[in-house]
Amino acid sequence: DQQVKQNSPSLSVQEGRISILNCDYTNSMFDYFLWYKKYPAEGPTFLISISSIKDKNEDGRFTVFLNKSAKHLSLHIVPSQPGDSAVYFCAARTGTLTFGKGTMLLVSP
Amino acid sequence: EADIYQTPRYLVIGTGKKITLECSQTMGHDKMYWYQQDPGMELHLIHYSYGVNSTEKGDLSSESTVSRIRTEHFPLTLESARPSHTSQYLCASSEMGTAGEKLFFGSGTQLSVL
Repeated sequence: DQQVKQNSPSLSVQEGRISILNCDYTNSMFDYFLWYKKYPAEGPTFLISISSIKDKNEDGRFTVFLNKSAKHLSLHIVPSQPGDSAVYFCAARTGTLTFGKGTMLLVSP
Repeated sequence: EADIYQTPRYLVIGTGKKITLECSQTMGHDKMYWYQQDPGMELHLIHYSYGVNSTEKGDLSSESTVSRIRTEHFPLTLESARPSHTSQYLCASSEMGTAGEKLFFGSGTQLSVL
């Protein structure tokens, strides 16, 4: 049973627009949520994280929002750039990390 | 940024062979992990280590073994490779920071078992 779900396998956005990637979870014990970005044939790289006691964290073009009552988090990228095209993994932590299946973002010029 | 290295990057091998995937990190991190990932799927934790002489099995049932004799080295061994082992294997180490535990991944080993 998947505890971290990314229901959109892919997302296409135009350059300059906002990209919104969504993630749902089922385990109330998760204490940290993280987003990783992965290019083909490379390992994931850390993007941004948020503690379960916060509802927003911002780092440059990337903002993560956490809605604990809905067990939902989202990653906003604004403005989107072609170099942002990659697979984005949502992950949640209770001791070890549990990953979602990822969403492939394609940003077109 | 942590430096973490995996070799080989790509490996094609026949069924029944014994293989070892290498992973080394130069940051002195105590915690290290092995994940397995297939395209379009989540990363599955197969082994992890809290430090030297510590190894734990992850969520995914695996026919692999790991060892942690030195802090910087965390190799993964498959005693008898099978086609079902074909996958990408990702090694990671982690550090604690103000934003919680942060994992740093290597570039991965893409394994194909024929």
